[in-house]
Amino acid sequence: GESVGLHLPTLSVQEGDNSIINCAYSNSASDYFIWYKQESGKGPQFIIDIRSNMDKRQGQRVTVLLNKTVKHLSLQIAATQPGDSAVYFCAERSGNTPLVFGKGTRLSVIA
Amino acid sequence: KAGVTQTPRYLIKTRGQQVTLSCSPISGHRSVSWYQQTPGQGLQFLFEYFSETQRNKGNFPGRFSGRQFSNSRSEMNVSTLELGDSALYLCASFTSPSYNEQFFGPGTRLTVL
Repeated sequence: GESVGLHLPTLSVQEGDNSIINCAYSNSASDYFIWYKQESGKGPQFIIDIRSNMDKRQGQRVTVLLNKTVKHLSLQIAATQPGDSAVYFCAERSGNTPLVFGKGTRLSVIA
Repeated sequence: KAGVTQTPRYLIKTRGQQVTLSCSPISGHRSVSWYQQTPGQGLQFLFEYFSETQRNKGNFPGRFSGRQFSNSRSEMNVSTLELGDSALYLCASFTSPSYNEQFFGPGTRLTVL
């Protein structure tokens, strides 16, 4: 498959464990944050989003936490499965400005 | 509902040539964004279009251009290709600029030799 990033930080997790992927953002004016998952050979796929007026949002097996004080975003994946193996990107935007993406983290699930 | 379609999926060009990539957004979506993805720089914003108007432009040289048609389909063009233009070019469609969730296509893998 295509290589999304050759030198990305990698998180290795045992199947069934919980995963936490972290992201630091730089723009204190950002009011919208989103997590994407990108599998080899595919475009990024929406996972979950959160607005700056919230500090936590839950989806199916995923939770996003936002700490505006330290400009930190995290994605928690419960009961990680082999199908969760991918590169995960956080992105931020302020108003209608374009999304700014982080460098990404590679999640590797060990069966 | 069909997803975002990008053509071609793979392309090989030589330095100095030009290339045109195409993106068909999800039906009903009027906004399209383009991104360049490379291992070194990650995902970088190229342009954003809404109703045939360019709303935002990233920090790329003038060799990179784009347009959007009345049916919301979009094209991007890169002229005088350089080796460093080798990348995955991604298109994302969304309802409107004020709507946050963007749906990405599979990308066009451009290799410049």
